[in-house]
Amino acid sequence: EDKVVQSPLSLVVHEGDTVTLNCSYEVTNFRSLLWYKQEKKAPTFLFMLTSSGIEKKSGRLSSILDKKELSSILNITATQTGDSAIYLCAVEGGSEKLVFGKGTKLTVNP
Amino acid sequence: GAVVSQHPSWVICKSGTSVKIECRSLDFQATTMFWYRQFPKQSLMLMATSNEGSKATYEQGVEKDKFLINHASLTLSTLTVTSAHPEDSSFYICSARDLSGGTDTQYFGPGTRLTVL
Repeated sequence: EDKVVQSPLSLVVHEGDTVTLNCSYEVTNFRSLLWYKQEKKAPTFLFMLTSSGIEKKSGRLSSILDKKELSSILNITATQTGDSAIYLCAVEGGSEKLVFGKGTKLTVNP
Repeated sequence: GAVVSQHPSWVICKSGTSVKIECRSLDFQATTMFWYRQFPKQSLMLMATSNEGSKATYEQGVEKDKFLINHASLTLSTLTVTSAHPEDSSFYICSARDLSGGTDTQYFGPGTRLTVL
C-alpha cells in the first residue's frame, strides 16, 4: 500500500527563522511528489518534483527530491506569519492517484 | 495557476436529504477529476476518481450508491451525497487534472463544507 509520512507533525517558530519540512514515501511506480499549502480552505499548489536532485524554488520556498532516499524536503527561509499553514506532501504513483501525508502544521509567531 | 471552482462553498441540510456539489475547471479541460474528503485535523482522503464520459472509480470503503459522481463534460463533475446523515458532515474538496501544455498537475477547488443536522 502506498504511504506518505511527513515530519514533524507540528512546528512553531519565530519570524525570520528557517524551517525544513520532511516527506518520505513508499509508492509503487513513482511518478511525482507534490507539495501543497493549506490555510483555511483547500490546498494550493506549491511544487511538483519528478527528478532527483533538482531544486525547485519560488521566492523563499524551495524543495528538492531524493529518489534514492525516497524523500523530499521543503525549505522556507526568513519565515513570515503568513507562512503559517498546514503543508501537505502528496505522491503520485502508478495508479495516478495522489496519496497524501498527514501534513505539517507550521506556526510562525511574530 | 489554473482555476477550479466549487459550488456551494458551504451547505447545511437536514438528515435524509440529498446534496449536490459541483466542481468546475474554469480555464482548462479536465478529463479526470478527483473527489476528496477531509475531516478536522486530518489529511485529504481520496473518495473517487471521476472520468469524463465514464463511470467513476471509487476507493475502498466508499459507498458508490451514497456518493454519486457524474462527470458529464470536460469542465464539470458533480458529487451528490444521497440521504445525507450527520456522519457525512465533512469538508469535500475536488481537484481537476490539467494535462495541457505538457503539464500534469492537479489543481484543487476551494472546498465545500457540508453540515448535516
